[in-house]
Amino acid sequence: GNSVTQMEGPVTLSEEAFLTINCTYTATGYPSLFWYVQYPGEGLQLLLKATKADDKGSNKGFEATYRKETTSFHLEKGSVQVSDSAVYFCALIPMDTGRRALTFGSGTRLQVQP
Amino acid sequence: NAGVTQTPKFRVLKTGQSMTLLCAQDMNHEYMYWYRQDPGMGLRLIHYSVGEGTTAKGEVPDGYNVSRLKKQNFLLGLESAAPSQTSVYFCASSRGGIAENSPLHFGNGTRLTVT
Repeated sequence: GNSVTQMEGPVTLSEEAFLTINCTYTATGYPSLFWYVQYPGEGLQLLLKATKADDKGSNKGFEATYRKETTSFHLEKGSVQVSDSAVYFCALIPMDTGRRALTFGSGTRLQVQP
Repeated sequence: NAGVTQTPKFRVLKTGQSMTLLCAQDMNHEYMYWYRQDPGMGLRLIHYSVGEGTTAKGEVPDGYNVSRLKKQNFLLGLESAAPSQTSVYFCASSRGGIAENSPLHFGNGTRLTVT
């Protein structure tokens, strides 16, 4: 089956620290990969995506590279801010099954302290 | 720009009671989805719709029913609530199908507690 595994949180960092949130996946075929972010009290928002191997998605200083050889899509940011405190979800769509919705990981809570 | 609006925001039910969650979107999106979010489990798809008048089951459909009588609305019903349905429910919509990589637009969620 298809699944997404994320590192457990919470991840607590000081402002301006480097961030990595790990995400690995299991999927048939070649999935598209996504990171969604959920700020407190809100719904999820698309942060970035990558649709094929070696693609790099980027947005708001966050980056993630689609690594087929390690089945990973780790999220990184060079210098986090307090405003980045949120829950981050890795997700995939398997492209060969015709499935019509995303499979999400369990989410990783990030807390950035001033 | 309302986007995706969910009502109510909070609700407490007793076991066996029924209720309907309403989702409305003003973006003329074809696809709509209901997810539930539980601690440590991420979001799981309950039901979805690929257009007005259509519905389909997701990963965890048991105990829920849905209807999409109008394109802009997607209703989630619980006929006989159970404590296992205590969760945060999110509605989402997208312009095209997921295979087209159309991003999902989420509402702010409904927190439901069943006692």
